[in-house]
Amino acid sequence: GAGVSQSPRYKVAKRGQDVALRCDPISGHVSLFWYQQALGQGPEFLTYFQNEAQLDKSGLPSDRFFAERPEGSVSTLKIQRTQQEDSAVYLCASSLNRARYTGELFFGEGSRLTVL
Amino acid sequence: EDKVVQSPLSLVVHEGDTVTLNCSYEVTNFRSLLWYKQEKKAPTFLFMLTSSGIEKKSGRLSSILDKKELSSILNITATQTGDSAIYLCAVEAGAQKLVFGQGTRLTINP
Repeated sequence: GAGVSQSPRYKVAKRGQDVALRCDPISGHVSLFWYQQALGQGPEFLTYFQNEAQLDKSGLPSDRFFAERPEGSVSTLKIQRTQQEDSAVYLCASSLNRARYTGELFFGEGSRLTVL
Repeated sequence: EDKVVQSPLSLVVHEGDTVTLNCSYEVTNFRSLLWYKQEKKAPTFLFMLTSSGIEKKSGRLSSILDKKELSSILNITATQTGDSAIYLCAVEAGAQKLVFGQGTRLTINP
């Protein structure tokens, strides 16, 4: 597709359930990022991939959060044993540029997770 | 801890007005500053600034970086209702990591 595609767009989970959020980046984009955006806040960095390598996962809030990008394209963010504080919009972004600057990030429309 | 602060948090103006949005930052390893516009969905890229004092312009929008003051402004002239959005400032602090501010919610009334 032309842009970054995320699914599902909306997910309601009961506390304690596991969820998986998918991101299809723009074809050929080397870099892929996951951000968490709580209501009324700016996005917060979770993790970053360059191709299939996860180069930075310092923003993952706990070991319940896990991300992978096994073939260097599609990525999945998994949250185990969801808690209410995990409720947020999860944004995926990709970038062509792996040079000195992050450059222009192309964001998906996000997956809105609500944990009851 | 790296920090980006935007002001004001919210701004309501009339169509045709000019607005200035502010972004200040404290980061240990500054590389670039970026502005995004977020309507109901995905943030969309506006500008990337790396050098102090050089204005970037796109139509009615312009932005400039002041590395001495650790800040940037985003100007929008002759505002239109379609400019209503949340404007996000982000700083690249270290390799490939963007630190975002909380955003400025701009509302343009007809």
